[in-house]
Parts: sequence; C-alpha cells; structure tokens
Amino acid sequence: DTGVSQNPRHKITKRGQNVTFRCDPISEHNRLYWYRQTLGQGPEFLTYFQNEAQLEKSRLLSDRFSAERPKGSFSTLEIQRTEQGDSAMYLCASSLFGQSSYNEQFFGPGTRLTVL
Amino acid sequence: AQKITQTQPGMFVQEKEAVTLDCTYDTSDPSYGLFWYKQPSSGEMIFLIYQGSYDQQNATEGRYSLNFQKARKSANLVISASQLGDSAMYFCAMREGPTGANSKLTFGKGITLSVRP
Repeated sequence: DTGVSQNPRHKITKRGQNVTFRCDPISEHNRLYWYRQTLGQGPEFLTYFQNEAQLEKSRLLSDRFSAERPKGSFSTLEIQRTEQGDSAMYLCASSLFGQSSYNEQFFGPGTRLTVL
Repeated sequence: AQKITQTQPGMFVQEKEAVTLDCTYDTSDPSYGLFWYKQPSSGEMIFLIYQGSYDQQNATEGRYSLNFQKARKSANLVISASQLGDSAMYFCAMREGPTGANSKLTFGKGITLSVRP
C-alpha cells in the first residue's frame, strides 16, 4: 500500500493525558498537512510542512498542539493535556508540490480521538 | 462570510441517474482552485476533481464534471450515471492563491448523497 498511512486509527484517552499521532505520507511527497474534522463538519486546516519546515499554523493550533516532521518524511502531531473538545478525527494529507498544476492532496484514513 | 457554502440537505438519487451537488464560494483572490472530495463511511477523503479559477473549460473526470460559473461563484459537482458506491459525503474545498503559494484547503460542511437501487 503506497497511500498515506496514519497510526493509530483510534485513540481513547482521559482528559489531561497527552497523545501523539503519526502520519506517513506518500513517499515522494514533499508537502504534508494536518486537518481536524469534527462530527458533521468538513475538515479544518491545522498546519502544513514542506519537507521539514512548518510553513503555516492555524489559530486552531493552540499551544497544547505541536507538530513535527523532523526528517521531511513522517510527521507527528502531539496534543498535550487533552480536553474533551479535542475529540475529533485528525486527518493527514500529502502532496507533491510541482508535479501537477493543482497540487492535489491525498488523505490518509485518519485517527479518531475520543477524550473521556 | 463563509468561504465555502454547501447548503443542500441530504440528497437522494436513483441509481443510473445524474445528480448535481451545489457549492458556492467566497474569495477576493483572483487566483484560486476548487476541489471536490468524496468521503465514504470508512472516513478516507478521496479526491475527485479540480477546477482552477483561470481554467477556460469546465473540468471533467470520468463520471464527474464541474459546472463552474465564475461570476456567480459557484462550482457544482455533477455525477452522471450514479452508482450505489457513490453513496457518501461530498465536500467542496477551496485553495486561495496560486498553486504552491498557499496549499491549505478550506472545506464546506459537506453534502450527504444516498443512491437508491
């Protein structure tokens, strides 16, 4: 399978705990994105990387959230001191900037977080 | 104002018929791109079709076509010959600015499509 993969697929945690999600993009893709999707809504942009550089962060990304892409390949998204409002599907996407005229993003299956 | 508006309630279509899913957008940037994604119950977002703001022709990809009306700021998705596997959520999304300058997508709330046998 050469698509975007995300682990874990599901995570249940207690309020106040820290969680970390991993995203492995399509291997040659240089851009990687994180989105959050709550029930009944479309995905909301959180942040994106080009190679290892984090180029943009949304205001949704409070100081409890941090994302890294240390070697320009996989990425991690960490949420510290989780709150019930963090319960959502966290989607990762990747794209190859420069390959096509529209730079379509390919999404992974998501990590569903439930904060109790 | 919302950047992407999808206001249709759940849509139903008979198998083999065509269906149009509406999307209106709001931007002051002359360069932008419009995307449609499909999200089945499994959760994965699947890219369907793209329309650039400077494209002269409406985009088509197999059974999918985009009815792009720039002056009205609408980008409706047309699915021809509906199949049972088309039952899913459909999201319209926009990238503002030229390709590469700004990659993030802004999504609408989505439309649920159900295909009846």
